[in-house]
Amino acid sequence: DTAVSQTPKYLVTQMGNDKSIKCEQNLGHDTMYWYKQDSKKFLKIMFSYNNKELIINETVPNRFSPKSPDKAHLNLHINSLELGDSAVYFCASSHTFTGELFFGEGSRLTVL
Amino acid sequence: SQQGEEDPQALSIQEGENATMNCSYKTSINNLQWYRQNSGRGLVHLILIRSNEREKHSGRLRVTLDTSKKSSSLLITASRAADTASYFCATDAASGGSNYKLTFGKGTLLTVNP
Repeated sequence: DTAVSQTPKYLVTQMGNDKSIKCEQNLGHDTMYWYKQDSKKFLKIMFSYNNKELIINETVPNRFSPKSPDKAHLNLHINSLELGDSAVYFCASSHTFTGELFFGEGSRLTVL
Repeated sequence: SQQGEEDPQALSIQEGENATMNCSYKTSINNLQWYRQNSGRGLVHLILIRSNEREKHSGRLRVTLDTSKKSSSLLITASRAADTASYFCATDAASGGSNYKLTFGKGTLLTVNP
């Protein structure tokens, strides 16, 4: 069973469109994250949620809106996509605020 | 802001050789972690070392931590072609708590040639 799963794995879309990425974890973790990895492999945190509550919002444009319907799911909706949004988006989860992160396989977003 | 910086950016070795990667960070930490990322895949946790630990082993991996120098190293012994991947160090801020987040470096791309 996949521990942290994201869909879709690939997303190609036009500038200005709106898209969503979904994430689910079956590890029973309380905390979930979205990270963005750019073309140079730099990985930067975007958001973290703990028990459905937003904990960290790292100066991300408000075109990005995370939603956590329950503690096993964390979705990311992006409005008015821009070229610079092209990246790989990783969902991750952790059991506590100090432990290791479990990552999904990533969602590669290409904005044309 | 970026916390960890790995060095070197890229490393190419022959199978059977040892590989050493270094990580430097800027602020006090609770723990430091190392992750591996195979091409096109997600990151996989390798090892966590706490700020009060100096060395930790896991199989062929050996991690050291020098908090006075704010640096860590990851040694992979007897490397295999399957070790080819990017390796990232990640640190958390010592304040921790509900603001816990891992800050990653840019990684070291390790290539192990058969």
